[in-house]
Amino acid sequence: DGGITQSPKYLFRKEGQNVTLSCEQNLNHDAMYWYRQDPGQGLRLIYYSQIVNDFQKGDIAEGYSVSREKKESFPLTVTSAQKNPTAFYLCASSPREIPYGYTFGSGTRLTVV
Amino acid sequence: GENVEQHPSTLSVQEGDSAVIKCTYSDSASNYFPWYKQELGKRPQLIIDIRSNVGEKKDQRIAVTLNKTAKHFSLHITETQPEDSAVYFCAAPFYSGTYKYIFGTGTRLKVLA
Repeated sequence: DGGITQSPKYLFRKEGQNVTLSCEQNLNHDAMYWYRQDPGQGLRLIYYSQIVNDFQKGDIAEGYSVSREKKESFPLTVTSAQKNPTAFYLCASSPREIPYGYTFGSGTRLTVV
Repeated sequence: GENVEQHPSTLSVQEGDSAVIKCTYSDSASNYFPWYKQELGKRPQLIIDIRSNVGEKKDQRIAVTLNKTAKHFSLHITETQPEDSAVYFCAAPFYSGTYKYIFGTGTRLKVLA
């Protein structure tokens, strides 16, 4: 998947449950990002990280949490505090020093049932 | 503030005609502008980009122009084909320790055969 892998492709969550979305990259990129995309809408930034053990909130971080224990991995947890989690989630990575275009994962479609 | 505006939200053209999508950005320090194409249910794919030291870049039927003074950039697709039908996103980088991209809200392009 172009060096960045998201899993699972589809995920169903019951209300009140936490779920974790996986994102792994082998591009040796320092920076990683999580975006949320709702139907017919653009991409909104949830969290991003430039180095291991450090991350920053994006525009819509409430109800989400992340960790960056390894350079290759940046998992996103959708907590029960996120009231409307049904969406398409995209992970991306890029070199850190100067702006380059992102490499995106193939996405995870999360549905609350 | 950090803002990227994109117009139009939808665009229908006849096959063979040209399509133009415009974006404006708020941060005059932004220096790299990518364009992404997203087909239904797929990840966004980088199709062309431009750095602030040039005013125009072309790749076959696709071109991007940049006006730094006015803080806007545009995507031009000539001789459109049905396979150009997709959603197109512009993005601009904002720096706060690392680069993060703010995306436009997208343009749904329909090429009518």
